[in-house]
Amino acid sequence: EAGVAQSPRYKIIEKRQSVAFWCNPISGHATLYWYQQILGQGPKLLIQFQNNGVVDDSQLPKDRFSAERLKGVDSTLKIQPAKLEDSAVYLCASSLVTEAFFGQGTRLTVV
Amino acid sequence: AQSVTQPDIHITVSEGASLELRCNYSYGATPYLFWYVQSPGQGLQLLLKYFSGDTLVQGIKGFEAEFKRSQSSFNLRKPSVHWSDAAEYFCAVGGSNDMRFGAGTRLTVKP
Repeated sequence: EAGVAQSPRYKIIEKRQSVAFWCNPISGHATLYWYQQILGQGPKLLIQFQNNGVVDDSQLPKDRFSAERLKGVDSTLKIQPAKLEDSAVYLCASSLVTEAFFGQGTRLTVV
Repeated sequence: AQSVTQPDIHITVSEGASLELRCNYSYGATPYLFWYVQSPGQGLQLLLKYFSGDTLVQGIKGFEAEFKRSQSSFNLRKPSVHWSDAAEYFCAVGGSNDMRFGAGTRLTVKP
């Protein structure tokens, strides 16, 4: 069974630039999560989708972050403009019922 | 609101010694509880999970955890630690539609 796929694995951008991350969940998983993991901290939920609808985006900085999940499958997370404090690993996860399966993550460095 | 506390930021044990990582949670209903492990540069791997039933759950790599409702705890244990167990460990709590992580405990294994 294929796992959660994320790309790119690494990204370095300058502050005020924009960046986008892509996630392909496990086939058939209705729930998709995006987490932000800052170095030395636990993952923080940014947004959760159920199919193509948003369940929880209370911790998403909506002035600069956006996410979509078209057709209830793939998802993209965008940051525009990026700030230095956005440097982190962005993890995508998907679940069928309750157990979440995680991708390898995208490590973003903002300089 | 649900939350997870991992009181120990960093633990060092000798190879072959026993291990216990602490996790306390706050959740309004019966929680689903998880332990994940993250090696450097890797994604999160599920070690074990508790949904209901027997409060002592067995996981992969020789790990086990015990759910104690009265103490709101879900501590992770291993009787004999191996050098390859050195990693970051995250406790998580969730329901059918969400998941929150603790800040993590970094495990160092001394030879």
